[in-house]
Amino acid sequence: DIVMTQSPDSLAVSLGERATINCKSSQSVLSSSDNKNYLVWYQQKPRQPPKLLISWASTRESGVPDRFSGSGSGTDFTLTISSLQAEDVAVYYCQQCYDSPLTFGGGTKVEIK
Amino acid sequence: EVQLVESGGGLVQPGGSLRLSCAASGFTFSSFWMTWVRQAPGKGLEWVAIIKQDGSEKLYVDSVKGRFTISRDNAKNSLFLQMNTLRAEDTAVYYCAGGFGWYNVYWGQGTLVTVSS
Repeated sequence: DIVMTQSPDSLAVSLGERATINCKSSQSVLSSSDNKNYLVWYQQKPRQPPKLLISWASTRESGVPDRFSGSGSGTDFTLTISSLQAEDVAVYYCQQCYDSPLTFGGGTKVEIK
Repeated sequence: EVQLVESGGGLVQPGGSLRLSCAASGFTFSSFWMTWVRQAPGKGLEWVAIIKQDGSEKLYVDSVKGRFTISRDNAKNSLFLQMNTLRAEDTAVYYCAGGFGWYNVYWGQGTLVTVSS
């Protein structure tokens, strides 16, 4: 199974400051056939289902604010919130969609400092 | 408007069975891979099972293989999860979700399954 490790487990950031979340996979999720990273990011706010933010490691979904960005390739990935807003308080999960079982990272809780 | 509405959750004794349903609307259900994801109380997300558009391919996490069965009825825009031999560790909110590939664009609100005597 591909193990997804997120860091940190939680972070507190001041409003308007940058938040950076890391996700590492135990093996590459970069497909040689289509050169795509099979890595997505979700946001889950309290008492809500997850919401897809980013697919293919760096493609922002429609309607997602451009302060959210994804980067990385192979085994190392990053979700960045460039200027944290109050509504961004949530738990963020990465998930690999490269191979079954489709494993999630443990989650990173983002709070306001 | 896209909607995924789960039902069928509840309290069940260890060793018991439960069948979850998910009613889909607002998108072309038959064109989507459909997934069940669960979340134990206060814990993270765990992928449970996925089914291909035509039902020809089904994949499961090891911990539910042989006990859970995912299925779908495209004529009724519905997804199902038959859960047998339930254990305490299956206690979770179960989300129905769908996507173009193996990741999920649409999510339901979830249904709580509690396995306890």
